[in-house]
Amino acid sequence: KAGVTQTPRYLIKTRGQQVTLSCSPISGHRSVSWYQQTPGQGLQFLFEYFSETQRNKGNFPGRFSGRQFSNSRSEMNVSTLELGDSALYLCASSLLTTGLNEQYFGPGTRLTVT
Amino acid sequence: GQQVMQIPQYQHVQEGEDFTTYCNSSTTLSNIQWYKQRPGGHPVFLIQLVKSGEVKKQKRLTFQFGEAKKNSSLHITATQTTDVGTYFCAGYSNSGYALNFGKGTSLLVTP
Repeated sequence: KAGVTQTPRYLIKTRGQQVTLSCSPISGHRSVSWYQQTPGQGLQFLFEYFSETQRNKGNFPGRFSGRQFSNSRSEMNVSTLELGDSALYLCASSLLTTGLNEQYFGPGTRLTVT
Repeated sequence: GQQVMQIPQYQHVQEGEDFTTYCNSSTTLSNIQWYKQRPGGHPVFLIQLVKSGEVKKQKRLTFQFGEAKKNSSLHITATQTTDVGTYFCAGYSNSGYALNFGKGTSLLVTP
């Protein structure tokens, strides 16, 4: 079974621009979560989607948004990029079986804002 | 909101020495998960603990969940260079949908 895929893998943007990142979960996984990873803050939860509904959102400004499609693929968008948005953005999918919510992570998208 | 704290931040050991990382939550956890991230890689699920006082072993790795379900530990016996990486603990928020990670413990093992 193919793992979680994320595109693009690397991205360089300029301050003020916007960016869209894509995530394809493992087949059959309906839950997709997004995380921001930086050396200083570690792994921070952005949001989680299940069946096209955002069920929870982390403590990030409204510039960060996301959506999930009917095939469970997900996108996240960051508008008006700031230097501090430079990070590794990780997507994770989960099968959400009873009692176990193991997260399967993708390789991430490395975003650099200049 | 829920906070998950992890110590130490870094640990440098000689191959063959033992290693332990500790995780503490500000609130009671329904379960706790542990992940390992190799340098340049992405987090990989290791284990989930659910029951109070639970202890699970995976070869040289021993995971414990505290009696109050607010703390956990990962102990590696006789470290090897393949153990290098960052170990994260994570607990779900009260909503059950947001996985809150500790900042991780980076383990360096020198031969």
